[in-house]
Amino acid sequence: AQKVTQAQTEISVVEKEDVTLDCVYETRDTTYYLFWYKQPPSGELVFLIRRNSFDEQNEISGRYSWNFQKSTSSFNFTITASQVVDSAVYFCALRFTGTASKLTFGTGTRLQVTL
Amino acid sequence: GAVVSQHPSWVICKSGTSVKIECRSLDFQATTMFWYRQFPKQSLMLMATSNEGSKATYEQGVEKDKFLINHASLTLSTLTVTSAHPEDSSFYICSASPQNDSPLHFGNGTRLTVT
Repeated sequence: AQKVTQAQTEISVVEKEDVTLDCVYETRDTTYYLFWYKQPPSGELVFLIRRNSFDEQNEISGRYSWNFQKSTSSFNFTITASQVVDSAVYFCALRFTGTASKLTFGTGTRLQVTL
Repeated sequence: GAVVSQHPSWVICKSGTSVKIECRSLDFQATTMFWYRQFPKQSLMLMATSNEGSKATYEQGVEKDKFLINHASLTLSTLTVTSAHPEDSSFYICSASPQNDSPLHFGNGTRLTVT
């Protein structure tokens, strides 16, 4: 069985603050993918990043950065200098590699960025 | 990039009627598509895996006779909510990926309201 936990239900920050969204996962498989998706108020899911379980190198993309630590089964997401447009629900997800398999989503973290 | 189109974006129907939702992969072929359901302020729950040319695989607790899935071609899967009831009101979203280990791309979702 696999499980994804996002303990933070809602986070509220003021614009330009940095914010970290936590994600902890459980799986018995040694190979898997981890994802982050953004769901703005309009509802669509926007793919942000995919990380292979073999690749623990942290990644930075603009104001976004991800910290993958296999030892603690965590895949945290940091937004630097947050902006109002970052307000959305963010989902962490887990998927097996190999054959087409389903995504298991965390419960999501609602981020509210205010002026 | 991979594009998944979902139609309609929203639909209102009367109790007892059936509603069909289409999910198309526009620039790739998908032997497998996934149908998710999302209640307000909740996470996405997988309903079923749609397999081209064969029967869909339903998750535990999902009524296959109520949620009919047809995956007749490599670019189209349909979800039909039969004899809809108000409790079926939800956000339905489909996903697919160009290859087995590629990120899943999501349609924009369909907001179903049953009156």
